[in-house]
Amino acid sequence: DTGVSQNPRHKITKRGQNVTFRCDPISEHNRLYWYRQTLGQGPEFLTYFQNEAQLEKSRLLSDRFSAERPKGSFSTLEIQRTEQGDSAMYLCASSLARVGELFFGEGSRLTVL
Amino acid sequence: QKEVEQNSGPLSVPEGAIASLNCTYSDRGSQSFFWYRQYSGKSPELIMFIYSNGDKEDGRFTAQLNKASQYVSLLIRDSQPSDSATYLCAVNSDDYKLSFGAGTTVTVRA
Repeated sequence: DTGVSQNPRHKITKRGQNVTFRCDPISEHNRLYWYRQTLGQGPEFLTYFQNEAQLEKSRLLSDRFSAERPKGSFSTLEIQRTEQGDSAMYLCASSLARVGELFFGEGSRLTVL
Repeated sequence: QKEVEQNSGPLSVPEGAIASLNCTYSDRGSQSFFWYRQYSGKSPELIMFIYSNGDKEDGRFTAQLNKASQYVSLLIRDSQPSDSATYLCAVNSDDYKLSFGAGTTVTVRA
């Protein structure tokens, strides 16, 4: 399968714990995005990488959130000291060049108890 | 004011009818416009994009763009039960960020 891969697909954690999600983009894609989606809402932009450089981070993203893309390949999104409001689907997407033509992974669903 | 607004629906249409979805955006400098389809429990997938004023047709789908009115629409002709999904309008106004609307849920009745 050459699509965008995300894991874990589901994560249940207790409030205050740290969680990390991984995204493996389509291999030739140099752009990688993280979005968050809650029920009844569209995806909300979190951050963007071009190759290994993180070029933008949403103002909505608190200091508890950090993302990396070492060597411009896979990416990780870490949430520290999780809160119940962090419960959402975390979507990773990649693209080659044209902005907006995103290929999404299946997402990582986070439930914070 | 939200950057991208859509009628939330649900929009129910009989099989074979035309489904019409609307989207407005706030940033007049927006350049590129996209429609994504999201089946329940799945991730969004791109179905159409449009960059210039006017109509763009792709199979049973037609996207319409009016930049002066800051309005984008999607028509689904000959609607099929398999078209039942949430349709997300997305707008790009800079080099990387795509802003999504909340989506319109379409149900096609057999």
